[in-house]
Amino acid sequence: DAKTTQPPSMDCAEGRAANLPCNHSTISGNEYVYWYRQIHSQGPQYIIHGLKNNETNEMASLIITEDRKSSTLILPHATLRDTAVYYCIVDKAAGNKLTFGGGTRVLVKP
Amino acid sequence: GAGVSQSPSNKVTEKGKDVELRCDPISGHTALYWYRQRLGQGLEFLIYFQGNSAPDKSGLPSDRFSAERTGGSVSTLTIQRTQQEDSAVYLCASSLATTSGGARINEQFFGPGTRLTVL
Repeated sequence: DAKTTQPPSMDCAEGRAANLPCNHSTISGNEYVYWYRQIHSQGPQYIIHGLKNNETNEMASLIITEDRKSSTLILPHATLRDTAVYYCIVDKAAGNKLTFGGGTRVLVKP
Repeated sequence: GAGVSQSPSNKVTEKGKDVELRCDPISGHTALYWYRQRLGQGLEFLIYFQGNSAPDKSGLPSDRFSAERTGGSVSTLTIQRTQQEDSAVYLCASSLATTSGGARINEQFFGPGTRLTVL
């Protein structure tokens, strides 16, 4: 599985957009980009995934570069409840274990 | 609908005792995963079930750890002769997964975990 690189932490002001970068320069053609987050004392929660097109759902948007070597998760209007560790994972479709790296610890401040 | 449930939520045991942790996946989810998370650390994969079989046991740290799944539903993770380094949160996840290389995504739904403390 391809490895990912994320900044260890970032702060974001409440109500502002949070842009979380992820590098995955060794991603292969059949690997998806997944984002999960883990709020303190809870299990991880799926946010969004994509292959090569940009994706949007009710939680976030995912922008994947044309060469697929990096992506950005966008939380459009961060709230205090978005404070969590965000994990970028690249993986083939179903049936694989998820390999969680260090993630980005996001602190949303009032 | 109901999510993934795990029991007990907390377990305190003495070193050397055996423990059993239970996971009830979302109904209809064929894939089930066990992960471990030590305090302040990331998630470590333990074992993956597809139906009742376990095609990937590569994460089990020692032969003290075993898991089974019956009826394609409930799974039990057993740790024998517990050690202090086994203290962690044990997380279970399930997904609608196939191994056919089809288009199903790897969206895993996690339970709240069992916090195991070995004294």
